[in-house]
Parts: sequence; C-alpha cells; structure tokens
Amino acid sequence: NAGVTQTPKFQVLKTGQSMTLQCAQDMNHEYMSWYRQDPGMGLRLIHYSVGAGITDQGEVPNGYNVSRSTTEDFPLRLLSAAPSQTSVYFCASRRNREPSYEQYFGPGTRLTVT
Amino acid sequence: GENVEQHPSTLSVQEGDSAVIKCTYSDSASNYFPWYKQELGKGPQLIIDIRSNVGEKKDQRIAVTLNKTAKHFSLHITETQPEDSAVYFCAAPAGGTSYGKLTFGQGTILTVHP
Repeated sequence: NAGVTQTPKFQVLKTGQSMTLQCAQDMNHEYMSWYRQDPGMGLRLIHYSVGAGITDQGEVPNGYNVSRSTTEDFPLRLLSAAPSQTSVYFCASRRNREPSYEQYFGPGTRLTVT
Repeated sequence: GENVEQHPSTLSVQEGDSAVIKCTYSDSASNYFPWYKQELGKGPQLIIDIRSNVGEKKDQRIAVTLNKTAKHFSLHITETQPEDSAVYFCAAPAGGTSYGKLTFGQGTILTVHP
C-alpha cells in the first residue's frame, strides 16, 4: 500500500492564483481530512469527509473548497490564493469505525503565496 | 467545540532522561486521546492512544496517562534517545465522540541531547 499520497510537495503561488492540492489513499478509508500546520498553532482542520459525496467544514474552512467524488481522492482547492494561506498542508485518512481510529497522514505540501 | 492545550512548547533533555508532555482538554465527553510524533519534513504518525475507560497505557518506552476528572492526559517517554527528537502532538475529538474531528494541541518540540 502507498498509504496517503499528496502532490505537489512544494508550490509557490502569486496572490489571486488558484490551484488544487491532490490527496489520494489506497486503504479504503471512509474518513478523509485536510489540515494546515502553522508554527506554534498545531494542526488545524480545514475540511473533512466521512464518505464519497459527503463533506463538511472544519475549524478554518474560509478560502478553501473540497469535493469527494470517490473513496480514494479528496482534493483541496484554493480559489484565490492569499498570503495568509502560506502553510504546510496535510491530508489524512482513517477508518470511520472500530477497532482503530488511527489517522494516517500524507507527507505534506508546502505552499508559499507571494 | 473541543479546546486542547499542550505544554511545554519546547523540551530539552539529556539522553537517558525521561520526558513528560501534558495536555488538557475541555469537552468532558471526549473519550479518545491520541499522541502523534512528527519528524522533520514528514507527516505526523500515531505513536500511542488511550481510551477513556483506562487510566494508563504503555508501549515499551512510551506511556500515556489519563485523568478524566481533571481533564488532562500526559505522554511519558523513558530512557530517551536522540531518535526521539521530534515534534509531539496530543489530540482529542471534538464533539466527544472517538470517531469525531480531532482537535490538536499546539505541539512540543522535544530535543534529546547525546
């Protein structure tokens, strides 16, 4: 299993540009989520999904869109990038039932908005 | 929602010493408390978790203790080694369910000096 994969690893955008961060998992996990990591602030939840066709907002959803058309993929879209969105983005997945709620994280995407 | 506070933000120890990281949470209904380790340039990885029906769980050199009355839980690492150097995050589920959205602490940078 490849686990959780994310592309790209690094990205530089200009203010106002749009882009999509890709996330895929091959573990047949129902639950997928996107976090951003900023210094001193831990991991903050952006959006999450409990299954194909179902998404919901997390703690910091503004400026981001998601969709979940398949179990495997959960892309994150930035519609109009802003410098405040400079961060490291992590995608994660897990089963949505017992016995384990362990979240598996991808390697991250480092995004810089100038 | 859940509020998770983590202390200290940085911790420096000598190889062989013990390290303790503490977290407090706000939602008394929370019943699942994981700890994640993040090495430089990688995504977080689960190292240990505890359910609310037990007070302590051990796995070799790491242990987690839970005090539900006081709403705090701690990570204990004994006989620290340089490879334990990393960022450690605690988390608790928002909404009190073990399968809910995780709220993360701010992280602790642990440095183990040889």
